[in-house]
Amino acid sequence: EIVLTQSPGTLSLSPGERATLSCRASQSVSSSYLAWYQQKPGQAPRLLIYAASLRATGIPARFSGSGSGTDFTLTISRLEPEDFAVYYCQQYGSSPRTFGQGTKVEIK
Amino acid sequence: QVQLQQWGAGLLKPSETLSLTCAVYGGSFSGYYWSWIRQPPGKGLEWIGEINHSGSTSYNPSLKSRVTISIDMSKNQFSLKLSSVTPADTAVYYCARVDTAILGVGFDPWGQGTLVTVSS
Repeated sequence: EIVLTQSPGTLSLSPGERATLSCRASQSVSSSYLAWYQQKPGQAPRLLIYAASLRATGIPARFSGSGSGTDFTLTISRLEPEDFAVYYCQQYGSSPRTFGQGTKVEIK
Repeated sequence: QVQLQQWGAGLLKPSETLSLTCAVYGGSFSGYYWSWIRQPPGKGLEWIGEINHSGSTSYNPSLKSRVTISIDMSKNQFSLKLSSVTPADTAVYYCARVDTAILGVGFDPWGQGTLVTVSS
């Protein structure tokens, strides 16, 4: 099983600032199968990034993904008020599919 | 555009069987896996298992002994059964389509979620 560890657990930032979220895998993940999701309270997760760096349909350009192997990053270039939420990374290339524990981006 | 709509009993007693169904609108079953995920209150996401159009299944080892996922192609639906539930199974349960093709999008779309509470 591939274990995904996200850091930090909580990120306290102000609107307009840059957010950098990390996801580290216990073993190599094919870049084709690494995704990032955003979740707001009471809502289902929403796909942001797939294949490590490709934005899903309708996702603003301020969201970007990068990385390969065991280290992946989600960057939000300038935080908008609606971006404060919990973010999860996930690998879907092998079974069991696994998620990171999440990073909460909160308003400072 | 594919949409998933799910339903099922929201309150169970310990030892009962959880049963949820997810209907797929606007798309084909072929070429994808169809998955169940859960999220305990205030916690992270846990993958439960999945099925493809031919009925091939894969389950999370931690739940495998209690989980059954099935598919009904005639109704464009897939279902989850989790037996012998305990309060630890209290969670919001989601269904999702899984695209594992090269450059596939992963888990998208998702159902709206169903809160299942296990309490005596």
